[in-house]
Amino acid sequence: SQQGEEDPQALSIQEGENATMNCSYKTSINNLQWYRQNSGRGLVHLILIRSNEREKHSGRLRVTLDTSKKSSSLLITASRAADTASYFCATEQYSGGGADGLTFGKGTHLIIQP
Amino acid sequence: DAGVTQSPTHLIKTRGQQVTLRCSPISGHKSVSWYQQVLGQGPQFIFQYYEKEERGRGNFPDRFSARQFPNYSSELNVNALLLGDSALYLCASSWTGMNTGELFFGEGSRLTVL
Repeated sequence: SQQGEEDPQALSIQEGENATMNCSYKTSINNLQWYRQNSGRGLVHLILIRSNEREKHSGRLRVTLDTSKKSSSLLITASRAADTASYFCATEQYSGGGADGLTFGKGTHLIIQP
Repeated sequence: DAGVTQSPTHLIKTRGQQVTLRCSPISGHKSVSWYQQVLGQGPQFIFQYYEKEERGRGNFPDRFSARQFPNYSSELNVNALLLGDSALYLCASSWTGMNTGELFFGEGSRLTVL
């Protein structure tokens, strides 16, 4: 089952604009991660934010986490054509012992128009 | 350094057949995870192996099995294939098996079941 839900499902913006994607999840988490996937290929890790962090930056990326609302947002500033891809949030839930893997949402498909 | 490598990249099987997918992790990574991604969905966790032991299993039937070898490479086996097993199978490696942390994905094996 999918724990996270990204919003919007699809987003089309002009090159140079900022893109914001949101993610909501259901259960308590250890951390939340964002991944990018180009056209059905492998996923690329973008950023990880731990449950005790509220904001994190990496280059043109800014991620926020609100554990009280069980939500996160990914902001991509000054978008480029190469940012066109699907973006997934993934949560790692607290586990008593074993590994439960990452739980991914359905993704936001981002299109950057030149 | 080589990333995560998967083989084969594409394969076509018929219902009832069996398939074996292979994965080589990044050098030094001891944990391998397998994910299934159906078209239009986010990846779903199948297995995690660490130091040759199964550390976690997702909600998949017993037709799915995996193992990890002494060199940390891994195989995913699916028996009695169903049409619904058609998907992109992703392998990911990481440093540790204690928490999932950041995952490094391969390009995937695209399985089509006819």
